[in-house]
Amino acid sequence: DAGVIQSPRHEVTEMGQEVTLRCKPISGHDYLFWYRQTMMRGLELLIYFNNNVPIDDSGMPEDRFSAKMPNASFSTLKIQPSEPRDSAVYFCASSQISGNTIYFGEGSWLTVV
Amino acid sequence: AQSVTQLGSHVSVSEGALVLLRCNYSSSVPPYLFWYVQYPNQGLQLLLKYTTGATLVKGINGFEAEFKKSETSFHLTKPSAHMSDAAEYFCAVRGGNTGFQKLVFGTGTRLLVSP
Repeated sequence: DAGVIQSPRHEVTEMGQEVTLRCKPISGHDYLFWYRQTMMRGLELLIYFNNNVPIDDSGMPEDRFSAKMPNASFSTLKIQPSEPRDSAVYFCASSQISGNTIYFGEGSWLTVV
Repeated sequence: AQSVTQLGSHVSVSEGALVLLRCNYSSSVPPYLFWYVQYPNQGLQLLLKYTTGATLVKGINGFEAEFKKSETSFHLTKPSAHMSDAAEYFCAVRGGNTGFQKLVFGTGTRLLVSP
């Protein structure tokens, strides 16, 4: 079975540019999560969706960040405009409504210069 | 708020030695407990989990962990370390006081294995 698929795996962009990270969850999973990993803050939950509806976005750092899930098989995390402090690894993850394990993608390594 | 504490940001062992990575959680309601491993420049891979039932759970690569409710702990062990075990290990909880869906991570423990 295909796991959680994220793209791009690596992105280097200039400050002020828009960044879009993409995620395809595991088929049949009802929950989708976006996490961010940094040296300073560790792994932190940004937002999660249930059946394509955002449930908790309290972890989204500021208005520059937005996330959407237009259908059950696709989600995006957008940063506009990007800043150097946004440099991090962004993980997408998914789980079943009846399950208890959250499965992670390989991550998107973002560097903002 | 629910939290996870991993004691020791770095643990060093020799190849063949016992591995012990500590994890304690705070929750008045027993949560689901997980250990994930992250190899350099890779994603998070599930090592093992405790949900209900037997408190000693076995995972991949010879790792196991024991849920001790009285101690609110879920320490990770492996009898004999291998060089390939060098990685960062994260303890995480889901459910309990935070509600069912959120997965809250500890700060991670980097395991160093020397020959």
